[in-house]
Amino acid sequence: GQQVMQIPQYQHVQEGEDFTTYCNSSTTLSNIQWYKQRPGGHPVFLIQLVKSGEVKKQKRLTFQFGEAKKNSSLHITATQTTDVGTYFCAVSSSNTGKLIFGQGTTLQVKP
Amino acid sequence: NAGVMQNPRHLVRRRGQEARLRCSPMKGHSHVYWYRQLPEEGLKFMVYLQKENIIDESGMPKERFSAEFPKEGPSILRIQQVVRGDSAAYFCASDRRGRGETQYFGPGTRLLVL
Repeated sequence: GQQVMQIPQYQHVQEGEDFTTYCNSSTTLSNIQWYKQRPGGHPVFLIQLVKSGEVKKQKRLTFQFGEAKKNSSLHITATQTTDVGTYFCAVSSSNTGKLIFGQGTTLQVKP
Repeated sequence: NAGVMQNPRHLVRRRGQEARLRCSPMKGHSHVYWYRQLPEEGLKFMVYLQKENIIDESGMPKERFSAEFPKEGPSILRIQQVVRGDSAAYFCASDRRGRGETQYFGPGTRLLVL
């Protein structure tokens, strides 16, 4: 079945540093979604990308979908302590709506 | 602005007991998904339901687990004869039409099996 690999698993940064998490697939993806989960919380939808080479920005967050639609990245500029949490990429199954999640990248930000 | 509601938020069971987890989808949503998150792990799909129908149960363990979404009332995820390995966070999500729509997650039920 479809799988997405996400790296790194953990990232510790100093407040103000940048952060990037990467999601890769061996197959072409129809779309990719990004979620954030705060410690003890639930996944919260951030964005969906569907077009080859698509780039979307939300304030300090930049999301990219690769030209071949096999990879995606989330970049956070100048991290803040409020960015702490686990970031997941997810792919929606073409047959049903189920989401297949990457393993997640847990971000820790040192003030 | 009622989002996806789940109850209970925390559930403690002893081995061999039954656990019933409830999920009410967001208003206007008729598709419900259940996911399980083991400690320090990602989310794994379990089952996808519409009203009175199970659409995809490919992620459900073959034994002890069942799910339903009746015509009236919340969706129920039922775990019979719980074991310690069932301890996890169980999240419900809903969307309007399925197939690539944005899914909105509930707060989850944290199940602890003693």
